[in-house]
Amino acid sequence: DVKVTQSSRYLVKRTGEKVFLECVQDMDHENMFWYRQDPGLGLRLIYFSYDVKMKEKGDIPEGYSVSREKKERFSLILESASTNQTSMYLCASSSPGVGTDTQYFGPGTRLTVL
Amino acid sequence: GESVGLHLPTLSVQEGDNSIINCAYSNSASDYFIWYKQESGKGPQFIIDIRSNMDKRQGQRVTVLLNKTVKHLSLQIAATQPGDSAVYFCAAQGFNKFYFGSGTKLNVKP
Repeated sequence: DVKVTQSSRYLVKRTGEKVFLECVQDMDHENMFWYRQDPGLGLRLIYFSYDVKMKEKGDIPEGYSVSREKKERFSLILESASTNQTSMYLCASSSPGVGTDTQYFGPGTRLTVL
Repeated sequence: GESVGLHLPTLSVQEGDNSIINCAYSNSASDYFIWYKQESGKGPQFIIDIRSNMDKRQGQRVTVLLNKTVKHLSLQIAATQPGDSAVYFCAAQGFNKFYFGSGTKLNVKP
């Protein structure tokens, strides 16, 4: 089974703090993604990566950055957390292949910025 | 681009009944679709997928129907059980990206 883990299930930070969210997958997947999930809005793509040291902006990259130094690990960084970044953050991974590139999700990190 | 929407934010069904959850997408070029189940406090879990060259696919107690003409897909759950209570959302792949609906919360009444 694919396993995607996230470093924290719940996190509380203060405005202006630098926040690191870590994601690790154990299936040697090339692709990794960071989403945020807000009520009524569905999942919105923040950043994704197709390979080590590669990153691409998603639909809402402002206020975020990412790092992928190793294939299995994809980090999301909030340079200076703001209250509007309070959300559920979901990491996903997938492996491109013929017929399917299903994304498998981690359990999520619920971040509250005070 | 693509937009994906579910028709009902909440659906209540009696245990043992069949459930039907609907989803509409906007981009006719979308060629791959997934249904996810998300239980409270957990990440989304893959249920079933379908490619655009099919109009029906069955799994264990679940069936996905795809109508490309009206850009609509549905998830049918047979003999709904309390453990099926969760938020269900669809994802449509187009332009090498996935677009996600906001979800339908399924409540199963005992």
